[in-house]
Amino acid sequence: DADVTQTPRNRITKTGKRIMLECSQTKGHDRMYWYRQDPGLGLRLIYYSFDVKDINKGEISDGYSVSRQAQAKFSLSLESAIPNQTALYFCATSTVSGGSYNEQFFGPGTRLTVL
Amino acid sequence: KQEVTQIPAALSVPEGENLVLNCSFTDSAIYNLQWFRQDPGKGLTSLLLIQSSQREQTSGRLNASLDKSSGRSTLYIAASQPGDSATYLCAVRGNNAGNMLTFGGGTRLMVKP
Repeated sequence: DADVTQTPRNRITKTGKRIMLECSQTKGHDRMYWYRQDPGLGLRLIYYSFDVKDINKGEISDGYSVSRQAQAKFSLSLESAIPNQTALYFCATSTVSGGSYNEQFFGPGTRLTVL
Repeated sequence: KQEVTQIPAALSVPEGENLVLNCSFTDSAIYNLQWFRQDPGKGLTSLLLIQSSQREQTSGRLNASLDKSSGRSTLYIAASQPGDSATYLCAVRGNNAGNMLTFGGGTRLMVKP
């Protein structure tokens, strides 16, 4: 079973609709992240969370919100989707041990299309 | 602001060749650097992580080096195979708010049989 799962894997929606993307992890990591990937722009950070009570905006948080329901679950919401939010969305997890930042592990991605 | 550049953007080689992918970053105050592989439409698979105190890491046919002072890393792939065809991304974890990863644009590799 995958360590980081995302649902749905593909979603087509219309402008103005509310959308939630979900991420779950079984790695026991405390840190979770949401990125979007666009052709030519690479991966950009939307939000990140270091624990259940810690939520932080990333580089491109406008138009998005998140919820950390438990250590293992981190959801991304688009309150009113717009076409330029069409992208590939990734959830990732990581942790710190011995004072060192460890690898970041990614989920399989959600392809979102906003018409 | 940290900027990460990967050269070349695309590379096509015949099977069996040894090859080098390059990654450069503008701010040398980093904690670590991570190389990923991404297949089309798929997620990112972590290949190698180099901490700032390390010079290189090896995994099978892959060897990644880090020269923090000059802001450079290379990923060496020995005896390339068609299955190595993918996009390779480097990302640096910097001394910024939240110590986040900053990604390069990737190198798209095609290994021809």
